[in-house]
Amino acid sequence: EAQVTQNPRYLITVTGKKLTVTCSQNMNHEYMSWYRQDPGLGLRQIYYSMNVEVTDKGDVPEGYKVSRKEKRNFPLILESPSPNQTSLYFCASSPAPGTGYNSPLHFGNGTRLTVT
Amino acid sequence: AQRVTQPEKLLSVFKGAPVELKCNYSYSGSPELFWYVQYSRQRLQLLLRHISRESIKGFTADLNKGETSFHLKKPFAQEEDSAMYYCALSRNYGGSQGNLIFGKGTKLSVKP
Repeated sequence: EAQVTQNPRYLITVTGKKLTVTCSQNMNHEYMSWYRQDPGLGLRQIYYSMNVEVTDKGDVPEGYKVSRKEKRNFPLILESPSPNQTSLYFCASSPAPGTGYNSPLHFGNGTRLTVT
Repeated sequence: AQRVTQPEKLLSVFKGAPVELKCNYSYSGSPELFWYVQYSRQRLQLLLRHISRESIKGFTADLNKGETSFHLKKPFAQEEDSAMYYCALSRNYGGSQGNLIFGKGTKLSVKP
């Protein structure tokens, strides 16, 4: 089954304790993105990647890191989490430009992170 | 600057009534716009895209470049339409949805 898999689904942590949220897709997509969803603010892009070893900042990258060493994986790293990073996080993937009209953005199920 | 504005946080209608979810955009080139929907406890999924000029689940959306709008419409709302709706704009020309700007979303509630 074609899908985007995020882990974990729920995570509670304390301020300053490094964490990684994993994201994997099995559709051979070039594009992958991370979004955070907050009430009243909608979805805001954190980082995106157009292909292996190619990443760029989105609208709210502060406090986050990503890596794209393999096409299928795009982990989100919080080196020193803070309470304002408490949010619902979504990973998504899609094919490269030029092929996208027939292929929507595929979202993962989300990771609900609480930083105390 | 590229921007998507959804002015209504919540829209409540009765079953059978028409519904219109508003979306306005700011983009210097030729925009590529989409509507995504998130039903309760489900993933975000594509509802429709302007380039296809399609009707999905009875919903349509027309791109109005003069008014920079891409409003989502349905003539007769159903209870199963209750969901969160996001309007989105592609940052990249070429159709890829890999790099989207989303609006803040509108929660549609359809009452029986």
